[in-house]
Amino acid sequence: AQSVTQLDSQVPVFEEAPVELRCNYSSSVSVYLFWYVQYPNQGLQLLLKYLSGSTLVKGINGFEAEFNKSQTSFHLRKPSVHISDTAEYFCAAADQGAQKLVFGQGTRLTINP
Amino acid sequence: DTAVSQTPKYLVTQMGNDKSIKCEQNLGHDTMYWYKQDSKKFLKIMFSYNNKELIINETVPNRFSPKSPDKAHLNLHINSLELGDSAVYFCASSQGWSRGYGYTFGSGTRLTVV
Repeated sequence: AQSVTQLDSQVPVFEEAPVELRCNYSSSVSVYLFWYVQYPNQGLQLLLKYLSGSTLVKGINGFEAEFNKSQTSFHLRKPSVHISDTAEYFCAAADQGAQKLVFGQGTRLTINP
Repeated sequence: DTAVSQTPKYLVTQMGNDKSIKCEQNLGHDTMYWYKQDSKKFLKIMFSYNNKELIINETVPNRFSPKSPDKAHLNLHINSLELGDSAVYFCASSQGWSRGYGYTFGSGTRLTVV
């Protein structure tokens, strides 16, 4: 069964600095990968997804992620963060043909002025 | 119009009570889900329905009973509420899993059992 590990529970960064949120998944079969963002007291919003094709995926709000099959990773990056990026970020994965999405534990991104 | 709407947004109730949470989606999606987010923000799937048919039931106590009257609605009824049921419950829907659309989430229902 698929499992997802987000390697950092909290990531503090300064405003306008770059950030990387790390995510590893377990399954070696064909997989769909997603990043979601949850702002305080809100639901989850899709940032980006990888289904197939180019390993570099661009999403909303200036975020991008790179699929690395050999490392079974799907790290999220942003070159310059803003205060408004403060939120909880979730990586999720599903094996193709599976009925459910499995989430990582979440990474809290805190932006300091 | 909200794509996936849940009611109520907040629910405070006493132990032992029975309560329901409602979910509706206007996206025309075939599949709907209930997820539970615990105090540590961990998200775990509870149930999934596809065209009113239960397809996932993840080791959830039978005090929890989902009901899908049509493919646009998936309600969650909880009997004999316990303190450990306190969490945020999210409803979600998806277009068609094989296409990898991912989910559209509702804004959540924060359940507090006292």
